[in-house]
Formats: sequence, C-alpha cells, structure tokens
Amino acid sequence: GNSVTQMEGPVTLSEEAFLTINCTYTATGYPSLFWYVQYPGEGLQLLLKATKADDKGSNKGFEATYRKETTSFHLEKGSVQVSDSAVYFCALRGTSYDKVIFGPGTSLSVIP
Amino acid sequence: EAGVTQFPSHSVIEKGQTVTLRCDPISGHDNLYWYRRVMGKEIKFLLHFVKESKQDESGMPNNRFLAERTGGTYSTLKVQPAELEDSGVYFCASSHLIGGNEQFFGPGTRLTVL
Repeated sequence: GNSVTQMEGPVTLSEEAFLTINCTYTATGYPSLFWYVQYPGEGLQLLLKATKADDKGSNKGFEATYRKETTSFHLEKGSVQVSDSAVYFCALRGTSYDKVIFGPGTSLSVIP
Repeated sequence: EAGVTQFPSHSVIEKGQTVTLRCDPISGHDNLYWYRRVMGKEIKFLLHFVKESKQDESGMPNNRFLAERTGGTYSTLKVQPAELEDSGVYFCASSHLIGGNEQFFGPGTRLTVL
C-alpha cells in the first residue's frame, strides 16, 4: 500500500541555517504530495503541495520538488527563523477524495 | 469563511468512560474525514464521510469507536469505553465534494485517557 517515510528528528538548527527534511514515498499511480505544518498549540496547516512529477511547491520560503524518479519530496528552506519551529509532516493522497497518508512528522526547533 | 472547528480542544477522562468529540466542517463541504495521532506517531486515517454516508471506515481501530454525521453537517466521534491507548490528538478535515483537492484540517482534540 501507499506509505510515506521521513526523517523523524528532532532537528535543532540555529537561526538562518539551511533546512532540509527528507521525505520519500511509496505509491501506485501518480499521487499528490503535500507538506503540512503544525505550529505549537495550533492545528494542521497545508504548507505546500505538488500534484504531478517535477512540480515545485513553495510557500513562506519553503520549497519541495516532486521527484518521481527518486520517489522523493524533500522540504527545503534557505534560512530558517525561530518562528519556523513546528512539526512538519510529509503526506500523499492517491486521488482527490482519498484519505491523506502521513509520515511520522519531524519536529524542528530553531534557536536564536 | 470559518474554518473547521472541533470541540472540545482537550478532554481528560478515565479509562472506561465515554467521550464524544465533535467536528464542524467548513460550510458546504460534503467530504468529512477523521484522523488521529497517537503517542506522537504518524497521523492515521480513521474514516471518511460523504454527506451523511460513510464512504470509507477502514481506519477505525475497533468497535469502541462510533462516528456519525446525521444530516450531513457536523460529525461526532464517540469512544466507548475509552482505553489508555486511545490517548492522542484527533483531527477532523473537510473538503468540497466537487474538485475536492485540499482537505482543510481543524485544530484537533487532545484526548487523554488516565
């Protein structure tokens, strides 16, 4: 079945450091890929998405590219801020109405 | 437009008691999903409603869990009797029936079973 694997962390970075959170997936067909973020005390928010191979999703300085050849969707940000401290979930969905399948989440702490 | 809301935000109960969680989807969203994150592990799907009908309940862990969506608006998830391993965060999400690409998530209900 479909599944998502991501580095679990926790990850601790200094402010302005470069961030990479690796995510790989297993799926049949052509799933849509997502990164969700959960800030402390808040609900899940969609950070970015990509719906087909080679698409790049981007938002708030974060980027991820849908790589079908490596079945990956790594999250990157060039310069993290303290306000980026949160839990990041890589996820996929097979069809428009299908359930979302999540990775285990990566906790990120950014220190000043 | 108001987002997905969930009530309560936090519930603490003792093992063997009953708890009912409520989700109000975004108005007009016919798809409603329940998920949960247990013990800091991955968020797992529980079930999917289309209007008032259960489309997929393959993720429901056992018969102690009962979900309803009478009238196709808000939904409830009842746990009876609650066990220790039910502790976690329960998320609700909704999306449009037509072209329902993005699921919008609620803030979650944190359930603690003592």
